[in-house]
Amino acid sequence: EVQLVESGGDLVQPGGSLKLSCVTSGFIFSSYWMTWVRQTPGKGLEWVANLDTDGRQKDYVDSVKGRFSISRDNAKNSVFLQMNSLRADDTGLYYCVRDISFGRFDPWGQGTLVTVSS
Amino acid sequence: DIVMTQTPLSLSVTPGQPASISCKSSESLLHTDGKTYLHWYLQRPGQPPQLLIYEVSSRFSGVPDRFSGSGSGTDFTLKISRVEAEDFGVYYCMQGVRLKTFGQGTKVEIK
Repeated sequence: EVQLVESGGDLVQPGGSLKLSCVTSGFIFSSYWMTWVRQTPGKGLEWVANLDTDGRQKDYVDSVKGRFSISRDNAKNSVFLQMNSLRADDTGLYYCVRDISFGRFDPWGQGTLVTVSS
Repeated sequence: DIVMTQTPLSLSVTPGQPASISCKSSESLLHTDGKTYLHWYLQRPGQPPQLLIYEVSSRFSGVPDRFSGSGSGTDFTLKISRVEAEDFGVYYCMQGVRLKTFGQGTKVEIK
């Protein structure tokens, strides 16, 4: 069974940092692009970042460029999202997702909650 | 950036009746490889989204045939032939041709 399990979400003050992790199992991790998608109260679903199979191509939504960094460890079947300079509008549920092909996302993890508040 | 616009944003449906959701993109979703990367997702309350339809009209594994997708270029439609209780939730279209963008979501509720 393919599984994605996120962790690392927490309550953090504006300007703070968090690192999200996603551990996967049940598939050949190194063969797939990986993605982070967030769900915020105000904006619904928002694609945040994706990463190609060897970690070289990284893409980000404009609102997180320069603040967030996506990475992966193929030896540990894991993908990460380093989030710096966090803002209140980064608050939301962050999903780790396997990208089968050009946005064909399956499966989704259960999500990890990030709350940015003083 | 490609903008995805769904209509309507909410829909009340009697079980057993059909439903239809429109999704329009600000640019063509036809890739140079000849495929159109428009996908549909359903999010039930308290659950992560799940893939229903990929590349406009292909049903994902396990998705009932009452779900169908159609369209081309910039105009797309998701249809449910007879809505069942398990179909209620929020539907999202998403483009994957250049980066990724979701529509605002359409909430399908029981009438």
